[in-house]
Amino acid sequence: GESVGLHLPTLSVQEGDNSIINCAYSNSASDYFIWYKQESGKGPQFIIDIRSNMDKRQGQRVTVLLNKTVKHLSLQIAATQPGDSAVYFCAETLGGNQFYFGTGTSLTVIP
Amino acid sequence: DAGVIQSPRHEVTEMGQEVTLRCKPISGHNSLFWYRQTMMRGLELLIYFNNNVPIDDSGMPEDRFSAKMPNASFSTLKIQPSEPRDSAVYFCASRATGPQETQYFGPGTRLLVL
Repeated sequence: GESVGLHLPTLSVQEGDNSIINCAYSNSASDYFIWYKQESGKGPQFIIDIRSNMDKRQGQRVTVLLNKTVKHLSLQIAATQPGDSAVYFCAETLGGNQFYFGTGTSLTVIP
Repeated sequence: DAGVIQSPRHEVTEMGQEVTLRCKPISGHNSLFWYRQTMMRGLELLIYFNNNVPIDDSGMPEDRFSAKMPNASFSTLKIQPSEPRDSAVYFCASRATGPQETQYFGPGTRLLVL
């Protein structure tokens, strides 16, 4: 299901540190998950995805972990840079049509 | 590829006026989605099309909202009459064939209804 965006979690990290952004999804049957990055004034941008038959997937500086037992998704960003400052959304879907987005987490990188 | 194109990027209008938002999906993508984003409710799916056919419009707030996709390269979202509570950023996204192909978002239209 959907989350109502009343409160946006925030995360502040020092430049160069690793960041971990967490997301709890709602539908245990969801079979595909995506992380998006949204910079101010722009649309969400695809970062990385993972299918439900996997528990880990790595990209360039980013890793997504999926724990289906507790319906938890995380995004790890290695060596966080100022350009990583943005709002990060997780999205879940079953069948690929209805995508449900989390409330988002605001990441601020401190130089 | 130019990505998903939306116009206008910004729209300011008065309550009661008609507003038309436009979207050009990525060439070759066969699914198109309209979303609305507000601080209070986050990102909400309004309607989506597969092969130009509306599949699910349950997210459309009320009859004042309508969407069309006359061909594979163009879609409109219309609000008539507009109200101040419609103020939001409206995103269009498109997706290629396959249920697990990701959606690619346009830059959005920032709508302000006075």
